[in-house]
Amino acid sequence: QLQLQESGPGLVKPSETLSLTCAVSGDSISSTSSYWGWVRQPPGKGLEWIANIFYSGDTYYNPSLKSRVTISVDTSKNQFFLRLNSVSAADTAVYYCARVQLLCFESWGQGTLVTVSS
Amino acid sequence: QSALTQPASVSGSPGQSITISCTGTSSDIGTYNLVSWYQQHPGKAPRVVIYEITKRPSGVSSRFSGSKSGNTASLTISGLQAEDEADYFCCSYATGDTYVFGSGTKVTVL
Repeated sequence: QLQLQESGPGLVKPSETLSLTCAVSGDSISSTSSYWGWVRQPPGKGLEWIANIFYSGDTYYNPSLKSRVTISVDTSKNQFFLRLNSVSAADTAVYYCARVQLLCFESWGQGTLVTVSS
Repeated sequence: QSALTQPASVSGSPGQSITISCTGTSSDIGTYNLVSWYQQHPGKAPRVVIYEITKRPSGVSSRFSGSKSGNTASLTISGLQAEDEADYFCCSYATGDTYVFGSGTKVTVL
């Protein structure tokens, strides 16, 4: 059974870099039928797509975040990653990793809250 | 890339049917038959209930159905049950290999 588990610091200082890891179990991140993505949700607000990646390294970014975001993958560890630079309070959110199949966010991790504060 | 437009809230009595709309543009819903809907209970991760406009994943109740007309997609929940009380978000694939989510709708079972 597929499991996705986000991990990373729960508190990041303004202007610093947010770094998260998504560990995938129950499926190979090298599957040719899946993409892998990140979605975030500020407290009490809606969902925002951040980025997707294919195991080959092809990446897709939300244009509004593209200048600050990097998504990457490590197939040997069955993990993928998110880096968001120059964070501000507006980046405070629950960050979810997800498997994307048939262009739909088909399975989700439990989410991890990241707070940006000094 | 603006969020898709959804009503903030929809309510209904048990057993009734409700419909949630999701309005986009010709750059997303209007061009692609790739709209999905997600149910989110408080403190939980979203769960997909509809994909590709009308398809239901295994394990999702047949009370959930989807449709699309022009730039607007819709989710209908028939035979409303207490467990359906949750937030619902639409999502569309969009031009440039991107995705856009809806603003979200709170469903209340009266």
